[in-house]
Amino acid sequence: GENVEQHPSTLSVQEGDSAVIKCTYSDSASNYFPWYKQELGKGPQLIIDIRSNVGEKKDQRIAVTLNKTAKHFSLHITETQPEDSAVYFCARSGGSNYKLTFGKGTLLTVNP
Amino acid sequence: GAGVSQSPSNKVTEKGKDVELRCDPISGHTALYWYRQSLGQGLEFLIYFQGNSAPDKSGLPSDRFSAERTGGSVSTLTIQRTQQEDSAVYLCASSWGDAKNSPLHFGNGTRLTVT
Repeated sequence: GENVEQHPSTLSVQEGDSAVIKCTYSDSASNYFPWYKQELGKGPQLIIDIRSNVGEKKDQRIAVTLNKTAKHFSLHITETQPEDSAVYFCARSGGSNYKLTFGKGTLLTVNP
Repeated sequence: GAGVSQSPSNKVTEKGKDVELRCDPISGHTALYWYRQSLGQGLEFLIYFQGNSAPDKSGLPSDRFSAERTGGSVSTLTIQRTQQEDSAVYLCASSWGDAKNSPLHFGNGTRLTVT
């Protein structure tokens, strides 16, 4: 179906380390994969997205990789900083409907 | 420019009362979505508007929930006879196309507490 599995649910790293969050999906018609960052008391904010015709996309310290064969995509944050601490959500869309389906989120804590 | 605006930011209501939640999307965005986020949970899709029409209402949890959009802009989500399980953050998002081809821009949500 349209479900998205996201792991881990919590992640704690030291400042300067890298963080990786992984998501898997089941609908092979999925073709758009955004990542959102949500800070306390605010709505989710798009940080990076990738389409199914691309395998990797990078924006400064953030990168996303997509493996269509295995149906998984990952968010990579390098040189983490305390302000990266937030909840991160992966999502997918595509196929016969027009909605974005989200994973359950990862609480990232960057310790100074 | 201005982002998606939601009001009120917080709403406390008694069980059984009706509530209305408002969303002002980004100007020019034709698509509008409502999601619900319960404590510590992901985002649950409620309804999708394209212009004033709602091609997908599949996420509305019961007939107590309804939504409308007028003038291709402002949307109102109405919950009748509220129950405690309705307590959640209700998020609105808009986009220039739809979720298959354009990013969603979210408001900061309305936190609803039913006592």
